[in-house]
Amino acid sequence: DQQVKQNSPSLSVQEGRISILNCDYTNSMFDYFLWYKKYPAEGPTFLISISSIKDKNEDGRFTVFLNKSAKHLSLHIVPSQPGDSAVYFCAASFQGAQKLVFGQGTRLTINP
Amino acid sequence: GAGVSQSPRYKVAKRGQDVALRCDPISGHVSLFWYQQALGQGPEFLTYFQNEAQLDKSGLPSDRFFAERPEGSVSTLKIQRTQQEDSAVYLCASSLVGEQYFGPGTRLTVT
Repeated sequence: DQQVKQNSPSLSVQEGRISILNCDYTNSMFDYFLWYKKYPAEGPTFLISISSIKDKNEDGRFTVFLNKSAKHLSLHIVPSQPGDSAVYFCAASFQGAQKLVFGQGTRLTINP
Repeated sequence: GAGVSQSPRYKVAKRGQDVALRCDPISGHVSLFWYQQALGQGPEFLTYFQNEAQLDKSGLPSDRFFAERPEGSVSTLKIQRTQQEDSAVYLCASSLVGEQYFGPGTRLTVT
Protein backbone atom coordinates (compact mmCIF):
# COMPACT_ATOMS: atom_id res chain seq x y z
CA ASP A 1 0.00 0.00 0.00
CA GLN A 2 1.16 3.50 -0.80
CA GLN A 3 1.57 5.29 2.54
CA VAL A 4 2.63 8.58 0.95
CA LYS A 5 0.79 9.75 -2.14
CA GLN A 6 1.33 12.55 -4.60
CA ASN A 7 -1.75 12.44 -6.77
CA SER A 8 -0.61 14.93 -9.39
CA PRO A 9 2.05 13.45 -11.67
CA SER A 10 2.69 16.84 -13.24
CA LEU A 11 2.08 20.55 -12.74
CA SER A 12 2.70 23.50 -15.05
CA VAL A 13 3.01 27.04 -13.64
CA GLN A 14 3.88 30.37 -15.15
CA GLU A 15 7.10 32.03 -14.03
CA GLY A 16 6.51 34.43 -11.15
CA ARG A 17 3.30 32.74 -9.98
CA ILE A 18 2.87 30.42 -7.02
CA SER A 19 3.48 26.68 -7.36
CA ILE A 20 1.59 24.43 -4.94
CA LEU A 21 2.54 20.78 -4.67
CA ASN A 22 0.42 18.45 -2.60
CA CYS A 23 1.05 15.26 -0.68
CA ASP A 24 -1.21 12.97 1.38
CA TYR A 25 -0.22 10.28 3.84
CA THR A 26 -2.05 7.47 5.55
CA ASN A 27 0.18 6.48 8.46
CA SER A 28 -0.60 8.62 11.52
CA MET A 29 2.70 7.51 13.08
CA PHE A 30 4.67 9.73 10.70
CA ASP A 31 6.10 12.69 12.61
CA TYR A 32 8.66 14.20 10.26
CA PHE A 33 8.08 15.27 6.67
CA LEU A 34 10.48 16.40 3.98
CA TRP A 35 10.44 17.69 0.43
CA TYR A 36 13.15 16.76 -2.05
CA LYS A 37 13.81 18.12 -5.52
CA LYS A 38 15.33 15.99 -8.27
CA TYR A 39 16.92 16.96 -11.56
CA PRO A 40 17.52 14.32 -14.26
CA ALA A 41 20.56 12.09 -13.67
CA GLU A 42 21.06 13.52 -10.18
CA GLY A 43 20.07 12.29 -6.75
CA PRO A 44 17.26 13.98 -4.78
CA THR A 45 18.29 17.22 -3.07
CA PHE A 46 16.80 18.19 0.29
CA LEU A 47 14.61 21.29 0.17
CA ILE A 48 12.71 21.77 3.39
CA SER A 49 11.28 19.76 6.26
CA ILE A 50 8.67 20.03 8.97
CA SER A 51 8.10 18.29 12.26
CA SER A 52 4.61 17.19 13.25
CA ILE A 53 4.64 19.62 16.17
CA LYS A 54 4.49 22.49 13.68
CA ASP A 55 2.01 23.40 10.99
CA LYS A 56 4.23 25.66 8.90
CA ASN A 57 7.89 26.04 8.07
CA GLU A 58 9.32 28.69 5.77
CA ASP A 59 12.69 28.98 4.06
CA GLY A 60 13.04 31.76 1.53
CA ARG A 61 10.71 31.11 -1.40
CA PHE A 62 9.69 27.70 -0.02
CA THR A 63 7.00 27.10 2.59
CA VAL A 64 5.70 23.75 3.76
CA PHE A 65 2.29 23.46 5.41
CA LEU A 66 1.18 20.46 7.45
CA ASN A 67 -2.46 19.61 8.23
CA LYS A 68 -2.31 16.66 10.59
CA SER A 69 -6.04 16.16 10.87
CA ALA A 70 -6.28 15.81 7.10
CA LYS A 71 -2.97 13.96 6.83
CA HIS A 72 -1.96 16.41 4.15
CA LEU A 73 1.06 18.53 3.44
CA SER A 74 1.83 21.00 0.73
CA LEU A 75 4.84 22.84 -0.63
CA HIS A 76 4.42 26.41 -1.81
CA ILE A 77 7.03 28.02 -4.04
CA VAL A 78 6.67 31.74 -4.60
CA PRO A 79 7.65 33.29 -6.88
CA SER A 80 8.29 30.33 -9.19
CA GLN A 81 11.45 30.47 -11.27
CA PRO A 82 12.56 28.47 -14.35
CA GLY A 83 15.24 26.73 -12.26
CA ASP A 84 12.47 25.26 -10.11
CA SER A 85 11.50 22.94 -12.97
CA ALA A 86 12.22 19.47 -11.58
CA VAL A 87 10.54 16.45 -10.00
CA TYR A 88 9.48 17.03 -6.40
CA PHE A 89 9.14 14.20 -3.90
CA CYS A 90 7.55 14.38 -0.50
CA ALA A 91 8.80 11.94 2.09
CA ALA A 92 7.87 10.96 5.62
CA SER A 93 9.45 9.18 8.54
CA PHE A 94 8.75 8.41 12.18
CA GLN A 95 10.95 8.36 15.23
CA GLY A 96 13.09 5.31 15.56
CA ALA A 97 12.56 4.22 11.99
CA GLN A 98 15.09 6.46 10.21
CA LYS A 99 14.04 5.31 6.75
CA LEU A 100 12.11 7.65 4.50
CA VAL A 101 8.87 6.70 2.75
CA PHE A 102 8.53 8.60 -0.51
CA GLY A 103 5.62 9.62 -2.69
CA GLN A 104 5.67 8.98 -6.44
CA GLY A 105 6.77 12.50 -7.30
CA THR A 106 5.30 15.48 -9.14
CA ARG A 107 7.01 16.94 -12.20
CA LEU A 108 6.90 20.73 -11.98
CA THR A 109 7.41 22.77 -15.13
CA ILE A 110 7.82 26.54 -14.88
CA ASN A 111 6.94 28.29 -18.11
CA PRO A 112 8.56 31.62 -19.00
CA GLY B 1 34.56 14.97 -1.19
CA ALA B 2 31.71 17.38 -0.63
CA GLY B 3 28.85 15.00 -1.28
CA VAL B 4 27.81 11.37 -1.52
CA SER B 5 29.43 9.59 -4.45
CA GLN B 6 28.37 6.36 -6.11
CA SER B 7 30.04 4.10 -8.63
CA PRO B 8 29.56 2.99 -11.26
CA ARG B 9 27.03 5.54 -12.50
CA TYR B 10 25.71 3.09 -15.09
CA LYS B 11 25.85 -0.68 -15.14
CA VAL B 12 24.52 -3.11 -17.70
CA ALA B 13 24.38 -6.72 -16.58
CA LYS B 14 23.22 -9.86 -18.31
CA ARG B 15 20.52 -11.74 -16.46
CA GLY B 16 22.12 -14.06 -13.96
CA GLN B 17 25.27 -11.99 -13.42
CA ASP B 18 26.30 -10.65 -10.01
CA VAL B 19 26.79 -6.89 -9.57
CA ALA B 20 28.34 -4.73 -6.85
CA LEU B 21 27.41 -1.09 -6.37
CA ARG B 22 29.55 1.22 -4.26
CA CYS B 23 28.63 4.19 -2.09
CA ASP B 24 31.02 6.71 -0.51
CA PRO B 25 29.07 8.71 2.09
CA ILE B 26 29.82 12.19 3.32
CA SER B 27 32.75 12.00 5.72
CA GLY B 28 31.60 11.70 9.32
CA HIS B 29 28.04 10.69 8.50
CA VAL B 30 27.04 7.88 10.80
CA SER B 31 23.91 6.75 8.99
CA LEU B 32 23.83 5.26 5.49
CA PHE B 33 20.80 4.22 3.48
CA TRP B 34 20.15 2.37 0.23
CA TYR B 35 17.04 3.00 -1.85
CA GLN B 36 15.75 1.53 -5.10
CA GLN B 37 13.94 3.79 -7.57
CA ALA B 38 11.98 2.21 -10.39
CA LEU B 39 11.12 4.28 -13.45
CA GLY B 40 8.41 6.83 -12.69
CA GLN B 41 8.28 5.99 -8.99
CA GLY B 42 9.68 7.44 -5.81
CA PRO B 43 12.67 5.87 -4.07
CA GLU B 44 11.89 2.80 -1.96
CA PHE B 45 13.88 1.94 1.13
CA LEU B 46 16.15 -1.11 0.99
CA THR B 47 18.42 -1.05 4.03
CA TYR B 48 20.00 1.18 6.70
CA PHE B 49 23.34 1.19 8.52
CA GLN B 50 24.43 3.02 11.61
CA ASN B 51 28.22 2.92 11.45
CA GLU B 52 29.00 -0.69 10.51
CA ALA B 53 25.82 -2.15 11.99
CA GLN B 54 23.00 -2.99 9.61
CA LEU B 55 20.00 -1.98 11.72
CA ASP B 56 17.22 -2.41 9.19
CA LYS B 57 17.16 -4.58 6.09
CA SER B 58 13.41 -4.91 5.86
CA GLY B 59 13.27 -3.42 2.35
CA LEU B 60 15.62 -5.87 0.65
CA PRO B 61 13.37 -7.60 -1.90
CA SER B 62 15.00 -11.01 -1.78
CA ASP B 63 17.98 -12.92 -0.43
CA ARG B 64 19.78 -12.11 -3.69
CA PHE B 65 20.33 -8.61 -2.27
CA PHE B 66 23.11 -8.11 0.25
CA ALA B 67 24.62 -4.92 1.68
CA GLU B 68 27.66 -4.32 3.83
CA ARG B 69 29.54 -1.45 5.44
CA PRO B 70 32.44 -3.23 7.16
CA GLU B 71 34.36 -0.19 8.45
CA GLY B 72 31.45 2.16 8.95
CA SER B 73 32.26 4.28 5.91
CA VAL B 74 32.06 2.94 2.34
CA SER B 75 29.14 0.62 1.62
CA THR B 76 28.56 -1.95 -1.09
CA LEU B 77 25.21 -3.24 -2.32
CA LYS B 78 25.54 -6.61 -4.00
CA ILE B 79 22.89 -8.23 -6.15
CA GLN B 80 23.40 -11.87 -7.04
CA ARG B 81 21.92 -13.60 -10.09
CA THR B 82 20.38 -10.39 -11.40
CA GLN B 83 16.88 -10.49 -12.86
CA GLN B 84 15.16 -8.07 -15.21
CA GLU B 85 12.99 -6.73 -12.40
CA ASP B 86 16.17 -5.54 -10.66
CA SER B 87 16.55 -2.85 -13.33
CA ALA B 88 16.29 0.46 -11.47
CA VAL B 89 18.30 3.36 -10.12
CA TYR B 90 19.97 2.50 -6.82
CA LEU B 91 20.39 5.52 -4.58
CA CYS B 92 22.63 5.83 -1.55
CA ALA B 93 22.10 8.48 1.12
CA SER B 94 23.95 9.45 4.26
CA SER B 95 23.02 11.57 7.23
CA LEU B 96 24.31 12.83 10.54
CA VAL B 97 21.08 14.13 12.04
CA GLY B 98 17.85 14.87 10.24
CA GLU B 99 17.78 15.11 6.48
CA GLN B 100 19.43 12.54 4.24
CA TYR B 101 21.86 13.58 1.51
CA PHE B 102 21.65 11.53 -1.65
CA GLY B 103 24.24 10.47 -4.17
CA PRO B 104 23.59 10.59 -7.94
CA GLY B 105 22.61 6.93 -8.07
CA THR B 106 23.66 3.92 -10.12
CA ARG B 107 21.39 3.06 -13.02
CA LEU B 108 21.31 -0.73 -13.35
CA THR B 109 19.95 -2.27 -16.53
CA VAL B 110 19.57 -6.05 -16.65
CA THR B 111 19.28 -7.46 -20.17
